[in-house]
Amino acid sequence: GAVVSQHPSRVICKSGTSVKIECRSLDFQATTMFWYRQFPKQSLMLMATSNEGSKATYEQGVEKDKFLINHASLTLSTLTVTSAHPEDSSFYICSAKMTSGNYNEQFFGPGTRLTVL
Amino acid sequence: QKEVEQNSGPLSVPEGAIASLNCTYSDRGSQSFFWYRQYSGKSPELIMSIYSNGDKEDGRFTAQLNKASQYVSLLIRDSQPSDSATYLCAFRAGGSYIPTFGRGTSLIVHP
Repeated sequence: GAVVSQHPSRVICKSGTSVKIECRSLDFQATTMFWYRQFPKQSLMLMATSNEGSKATYEQGVEKDKFLINHASLTLSTLTVTSAHPEDSSFYICSAKMTSGNYNEQFFGPGTRLTVL
Repeated sequence: QKEVEQNSGPLSVPEGAIASLNCTYSDRGSQSFFWYRQYSGKSPELIMSIYSNGDKEDGRFTAQLNKASQYVSLLIRDSQPSDSATYLCAFRAGGSYIPTFGRGTSLIVHP
């Protein structure tokens, strides 16, 4: 299957700092990438959809000025959590959509666990 | 509003048994259906995709789709303790590339 990487896998930061998370599709081009957040024992929550070369589409309730998304190339999308606070501590997961013929499968990165002190 | 319903479980089955996981969806326009497995503390992993009515088999896994009844199921034969995880059902409507995920069913396979 397709491989999606995320970096870093784990980050601990102080309140008020910004954290950048990278998501890369390693062996395919992804015109669309998704960013999710998952709190412990909760379901995946879609934060935003990122299309290469255009502005991200944010889900209702997600602050676009706080969660900056840049999809600069067909293999890289970044999520920057600005001025992070303890309530932003969560598991952030990206996924990338592979287009193959008529099928559109989505593959997840390994996730980034963010802890804000 | 697009919705996916899954029993949160946990579903507990003995090793070697068949585990049956079910999912219903509300959008009749849905065309793509997926099952993901998520181990605790890890990200979801795609294990099956199904696009047409009927069964699709891959090793010990069989996905079953019934569009008329709007449900999709996942059967795991010869369940192993390593199958213990949360299984997420997802679907995507025709013309949309944004999937809708269920909350997941927790499966426990006990020795």
